Amino acid sequence: IAGITQAPTSQILAAGRRMTLRCTQDMRHNAMYWYRQDLGLGLRLIHYSNTAGTTGKGEVPDGYSVSRANTDDFPLTLASAVPSQTSVYFCASSGLADTGELFFGEGSRLTVL
Amino acid sequence: GQNIDQPTEMTATEGAIVQINCTYQTSGFNGLFWYQQHAGEAPTFLSYNVLDGLEEKGRFSSFLSRSKGYSYLLLKELQMKDSASYLCAVRDSNYQLIWGAGTKLIIKP
Repeated sequence: IAGITQAPTSQILAAGRRMTLRCTQDMRHNAMYWYRQDLGLGLRLIHYSNTAGTTGKGEVPDGYSVSRANTDDFPLTLASAVPSQTSVYFCASSGLADTGELFFGEGSRLTVL
Repeated sequence: GQNIDQPTEMTATEGAIVQINCTYQTSGFNGLFWYQQHAGEAPTFLSYNVLDGLEEKGRFSSFLSRSKGYSYLLLKELQMKDSASYLCAVRDSNYQLIWGAGTKLIIKP
């Protein structure tokens, strides 16, 4: 593993189903983030975690939950998917660099029918 | 509310220079970022400005004026591989990133 790995790459899901998007990083970064990206809109923060054991709500947290049991993993769960959650989801992390730049996973394209 | 504005789409010619503007209104300011995102791929970090002025990195430069709430990304000697979306983001007083919708840059031969 090098950087951030997301799974699955893409998924088609029936409305009402539960879905977990996985995110793993090997850079030992403290902070991790989940964003969704929709056409014509900027990246929107769903949830974040500043360090293992802590999580926080972003701009659009409703319908999503996260956990941060350890430094490396930050899964995002949709408890009961709805069509408006159709989007591309990006996991990201940041370390202690002066800039705090984000490193992104390759994204998970989710379609809810 | 917080807002980042950048043009939706721009077209430029291979070998030329293009400037992509970004204006922002945010609750506080703790740095401005530019990211590049090729279609179907993840965003990748290009530049960071926290003080006024120009930061140069190879063919790419980024400028910031905090008093005007304004930044631009300057791309020189354009190459076809520069065709991508360019995302402007500002870190606010809570150290959260506010993102623009991105500028799709189309490079023509």
